[in-house]
Order: sequence, then C-alpha cells, then structure tokens
Amino acid sequence: DTAVSQTPKYLVTQMGNDKSIKCEQNLGHDTMYWYKQDSKKFLKIMFSYNNKELIINETVPNRFSPKSPDKAHLNLHINSLELGDSAVYFCASSHIMGGANYGYTFGSGTRLTVV
Amino acid sequence: AQKITQTQPGMFVQEKEAVTLDCTYDTSDQSYGLFWYKQPSSGEMIFLIYQGSYDEQNATEGRYSLNFQKARKSANLVISASQLGDSAMYFCAMREKLNTGNQFYFGTGTSLTVIP
Repeated sequence: DTAVSQTPKYLVTQMGNDKSIKCEQNLGHDTMYWYKQDSKKFLKIMFSYNNKELIINETVPNRFSPKSPDKAHLNLHINSLELGDSAVYFCASSHIMGGANYGYTFGSGTRLTVV
Repeated sequence: AQKITQTQPGMFVQEKEAVTLDCTYDTSDQSYGLFWYKQPSSGEMIFLIYQGSYDEQNATEGRYSLNFQKARKSANLVISASQLGDSAMYFCAMREKLNTGNQFYFGTGTSLTVIP
C-alpha cells in the first residue's frame, strides 16, 4: 500500500480553471505538507498542517487553498489557474513529537501543466 | 521495496569534521537522476547536488560531494568541513524517467546535528 498517495499524478488544464490535488497518508502521521517544485531543484514549502490545524502558510497566492478534513488528508485547491502555476507539487507527511521530527514520507508528486 | 533508503535517522558530527550521509536506491531503469536536498527548520527543501546515472564523475558542489557507486546503487552525500549551519534534515531523492514521464521518490531523511 502506498504510504502517501497523491492524485492525480498528471494534470493538464487551461488557464482560468479551478482544480484540486488530493493527498492521503496511511502512516498515522500528524503533520502534512504541500511543496511546490518549480525549478527542478528547489522545493518551496507552501503549507503545513498539524492535526488538521494550519501551522505554516508561506506567501503563496490566495488562489491556493489547502483543506484538511482529517489528519490523514490534505488537499490543495487552486482557483483561476495561471501559466506560472505549472510545476510539480509534492505532498509529504511526518510525525512530530516534542519538537522532534520522526521521519518524512513524500508522495510521488503531481505534475500540473497549465496551458 | 523502498525506492530510496536512508538508514541513518540521526547523525552527529563535530564542527570542521567531514560526515557521510548514506543513501541507497532501487531502480531497474538505465536513465535516472539522484538528488540531495537540505531542509533547515524553515521547512524549505534546498537543492544541494545532482548526479545523473550516466555521469562518470562524482558530482561536487563546494563542500558537498556525492559518492556515486552505481553497481552498489548507492549515492552517499559527503559534507566536508562541517559548519554549525549544516545542522538540518537531509533528503536523498531519485527521479526515474518512465514512459509516462518523470517519477520522483524521496528517502525518509537524516537529521544531522553539528556539534561545536
């Protein structure tokens, strides 16, 4: 069973559309993240949720809205897609206890292409 | 089977010493890429170094070098002359080129602490 699964794996859509990327983890982790990889190298953190509460919200356009219905899910909704949103988006989860991070697991990424 | 394995959840190194972070990978593809990222407490994943599967020389970037042993499927990161600012999580990652496109895999990370 995949530990952190993202769907869809590939997404091609037109400018102006609204789309969602889903992420689910079955590891019992309490923290989930969204990263954007837009240069093949640098992964920029976008959001982090701990026990369904938003703990990191970096400067991203408010067209991006995360939703965490429960600890195992963190979805990313993007409104009014722009060409610059084309990137690979990674979901990840980890377990944080006493301030220490006990291991990360990443999803395999969602390649978003806006045309 | 795990695609990327990092067996060291935590490592300590004395300042100015060198340290090696282990990474092994599993792939049957001929064309793939190996990456190392550093994650400080800010959460960003900072790219450190890249090694292509066809590169014959080990990649080097400043104090970072990648010890690429293709037959053993290992891609260890060597940090020379450790600095206090090197304390962070380090992730090994692999990109496979599949017919359907690129697929990325990450290891679970190694937490490095540099001791003054």
